[in-house]
Amino acid sequence: DVKVTQSSRYLVKRTGEKVFLECVQDMDHENMFWYRQDPGLGLRLIYFSYDVKMKEKGDIPEGYSVSREKKERFSLILESASTNQTSMYLCASSTFGGRTETQYFGPGTRLLVL
Amino acid sequence: DAKTTQPNSMESNEEEPVHLPCNHSTISGTDYIHWYRQLPSQGPEYVIHGLTSNVNNRMASLAIAEDRKSSTLILHRATLRDAAVYYCILRDFNSGYALNFGKGTSLLVTP
Repeated sequence: DVKVTQSSRYLVKRTGEKVFLECVQDMDHENMFWYRQDPGLGLRLIYFSYDVKMKEKGDIPEGYSVSREKKERFSLILESASTNQTSMYLCASSTFGGRTETQYFGPGTRLLVL
Repeated sequence: DAKTTQPNSMESNEEEPVHLPCNHSTISGTDYIHWYRQLPSQGPEYVIHGLTSNVNNRMASLAIAEDRKSSTLILHRATLRDAAVYYCILRDFNSGYALNFGKGTSLLVTP
């Protein structure tokens, strides 16, 4: 079975802190994604990566950056956390077959910024 | 992505079959029908997908209408663990990378 793991299930941070969310997949997938999910707004794509060191902005990249130094690992960085970044963060991965490929999600990190 | 329409909620008894409908009247010939579900406080989980023919896997079956304007996700014996929000989406090679789930169907399973 595909396994996508995220470094924390719950995280509490203070405004202005730098926050690292890490995601690891064990299926040798080329694509990796970071989404956030908020009630009433559904899933929104923050960034995705199609290869090591390659990244593309999603729909809401402002306030976030990403890093992909190894194929299996994709990190989301909140440079200076703000209260409006309180959300559920979801990592996903897929093979490189195109937009019809299945995305496999991690369990999510619920981030609270105080 | 082409639009899909699902009921807001459905209810089922445990160990009974569940048929979750999805309408997609504007589906194109290259659209794949995907189903995902999201259990409470979990990430979304892939369930099944198909193009034209009915599909079966260990989780569910997908029945696709002959004109492809609708489909039905079938859970053969609902368990309490199947209580989740089920999302039906259409994807083709021109879709954006982001999965755009609509509101989905919230399935309640009662013992």
